[in-house]
Amino acid sequence: DIQMTQSPSSLSASVGDRVTITCRTSQSITIFLNWYQQKPGKAPNLLIYAASSLQSGVPSRFSGSGSGTDFTLTISSLQPEDFATYYCQQSYTTPWTFGQGTKVELK
Amino acid sequence: QVQLVQSGVEVKKPGASVKVSCKASGYTFTSYGISWVRQAPGQGLEWMGWISAHNRNTNYAQKLLGRVTMTTETSTSTAYVELRGLRSDDTAVYYCARSIFGVVYYFDYWGQGTLVTVSS
Repeated sequence: DIQMTQSPSSLSASVGDRVTITCRTSQSITIFLNWYQQKPGKAPNLLIYAASSLQSGVPSRFSGSGSGTDFTLTISSLQPEDFATYYCQQSYTTPWTFGQGTKVELK
Repeated sequence: QVQLVQSGVEVKKPGASVKVSCKASGYTFTSYGISWVRQAPGQGLEWMGWISAHNRNTNYAQKLLGRVTMTTETSTSTAYVELRGLRSDDTAVYYCARSIFGVVYYFDYWGQGTLVTVSS
């Protein structure tokens, strides 16, 4: 199985901060990498697919980059509604696997 | 608009089976797949498997082989996941998610989740 390692596991930030979350995979997955946001008690919500494509309806402050084994999710200016847990997920090969999550908290 | 509506809370005893449903609307059901993803309390997301609503092909996570079955009912645009031989570590929220292939596979719409509790 492809292992997904996100860092950091949690971070504290303020509204307006630039936030970067990284995801590293145990083997190359080219661009088969997606990012999801999950708020407590809710289902995950797709933000980015294919490493850098913004899902329709997602604010442009979210962006993704990377290929191969190293990927990044960036929130350019953190908004109050962005405090949540973020997961990366690979769809290069089954079993499709998720990172352990990064919790973004208010500083 | 696309919606996936799941069945309600389940409480089961160890060794029992559970079947969760996911009713789709707002799109052509047979043009997409459905994945099932679960989340144990306070934990991360775990992919359980995928079913094509077009031809009913399935792909299950190795750790669940022999205990899980995913099916679809085209007439009602409903997907199902059945898990047998329930154990306490199967306690989780179970999500269905529409699986789309657009350059890569991803989950673009999710159900609201179904809490399954396994307890004696």
